[in-house]
Amino acid sequence: EAQVTQNPRYLITVTGKKLTVTCSQNMNHEYMSWYRQDPGLGLRQIYYSMNVEVTDKGDVPEGYKVSRKEKRNFPLILESPSPNQTSLYFCASSNGPSYEQYFGPGTRLTVT
Amino acid sequence: SQQGEEDPQALSIQEGENATMNCSYKTSINNLQWYRQNSGRGLVHLILIRSNEREKHSGRLRVTLDTSKKSSSLLITASRAADTASYFCATDPLEGAQKLVFGQGTRLTINP
Repeated sequence: EAQVTQNPRYLITVTGKKLTVTCSQNMNHEYMSWYRQDPGLGLRQIYYSMNVEVTDKGDVPEGYKVSRKEKRNFPLILESPSPNQTSLYFCASSNGPSYEQYFGPGTRLTVT
Repeated sequence: SQQGEEDPQALSIQEGENATMNCSYKTSINNLQWYRQNSGRGLVHLILIRSNEREKHSGRLRVTLDTSKKSSSLLITASRAADTASYFCATDPLEGAQKLVFGQGTRLTINP
């Protein structure tokens, strides 16, 4: 089954404790991206990747890192999480930025 | 900056009625896409309409695009309780960063 998976689905952590949210897709997509969704602010792109080893900042990259060592995986790293990073995070993949995006189920992160 | 803006922000109708949501955007686009999101879950792609198309159908969905007015509408006919969700438009800008830009969504509630 074609899908994008994210782990964990729910995470409660404390300020400053490094964490990684994994994202994996099995559709051989070139393009992957991370979004955060906050009430009243909609969906905002954090980082995107056009291909392996090629990543670029989206609209709200501060406080986040990503890597794209393999085509299927695109982890999101929070080196020192802060409460303002409490949000619902989505990973997405596609054949390109103009194409239909396939979204993961989301990761609800709470930073206390 | 926000490209797509949906109107209304919330819509509540009776089952069986038609629901219409609108999206306005600011810059020229390659295509416009509509997505659905059930509460707290990942977005699901509904339909893509290219800038040279004026109307597109998919089942009970009808999307129109007016590039001269920079607007699109999504019509859901004969609504069902299962259509209750948030609906987002996403634009693929002709110029600029290679990414979709999402609006803030319309929350649709279908009352039985």
